[in-house]
Amino acid sequence: DAGVTQSPTHLIKTRGQQVTLRCSPKSGHDTVSWYQQALGQGPQFIFQYYEEEERQRGNFPDRFSGHQFPNYSSELNVNALLLGDSALYLCASSYTGGAYEQYFGPGTRLTVT
Amino acid sequence: QKEVEQDPGPLSVPEGAIVSLNCTYSNSAFQYFMWYRQYSRKGPELLMYTYSSGNKEDGRFTAQVDKSSKYISLFIRDSQPSDSATYLCATVSGNTGKLIFGQGTTLQVKP
Repeated sequence: DAGVTQSPTHLIKTRGQQVTLRCSPKSGHDTVSWYQQALGQGPQFIFQYYEEEERQRGNFPDRFSGHQFPNYSSELNVNALLLGDSALYLCASSYTGGAYEQYFGPGTRLTVT
Repeated sequence: QKEVEQDPGPLSVPEGAIVSLNCTYSNSAFQYFMWYRQYSRKGPELLMYTYSSGNKEDGRFTAQVDKSSKYISLFIRDSQPSDSATYLCATVSGNTGKLIFGQGTTLQVKP
C-alpha cells in the first residue's frame, strides 16, 4: 500500500516566480491538507481539500491556492514567491471523519533565491 | 499565547534511558492529541493518537493526556539511537482536521 507521495522532492525558484507542488494521498483517503514547515518549527496549516473544494484555510495569503482532482490528488500553487516562502511543504491525507489520523508525505523542499 | 507549546530542547539521553516529552495546550475544547516523529529532512510520521484523557501504549511508547492541566506527554522506554529525531505533539481544531503543532522537541539518544 503506497503511502502519501509528493513531487518534486526539491525545488529552487527565484523571487516572483510561481510554483506548483503535487500530492497523491494514501489509498482510501479522500481528504488532503497542506502544511508549511519552516526550519526548526512545527508545520503550519495552509488549507484542506475535500470533495474538490477548499474546506478550511489557515492564515496564509491568497498567493497560496490549491486544487483537488476527482482522484483525490492535490496541487498547491504559490504565486509571486517571496524569500520567506522557503520551507518544507508537507501534504497530509486522511479519510472523512478521521481527522486525527493524518498521514504525511515526505515533503517538497522549496528554496526561493 | 500559542495554542500548543513544546520545549524545543535539544534533549540528549544515553541509550536505554526513559525519555519524557511534554506539551501544553491552551484550549480545553481540544479532544484528540497526536504524537509525530520526524527524522531530519523527512515528513512527520504518526506514532499514536489519544482521545480525551488517559494513557495509550504502543510497544515502547506511551502517550498520556491530562485534560485537567492541559498537559500531554510521550514516554519512550528503553530508548534507542534510532529514536533520535524531532518529536512533534499536535491536536485537531474542530471537526475539519486542521492540525495544530507544537514546535517540536529534538531528541538525541547516544549509544
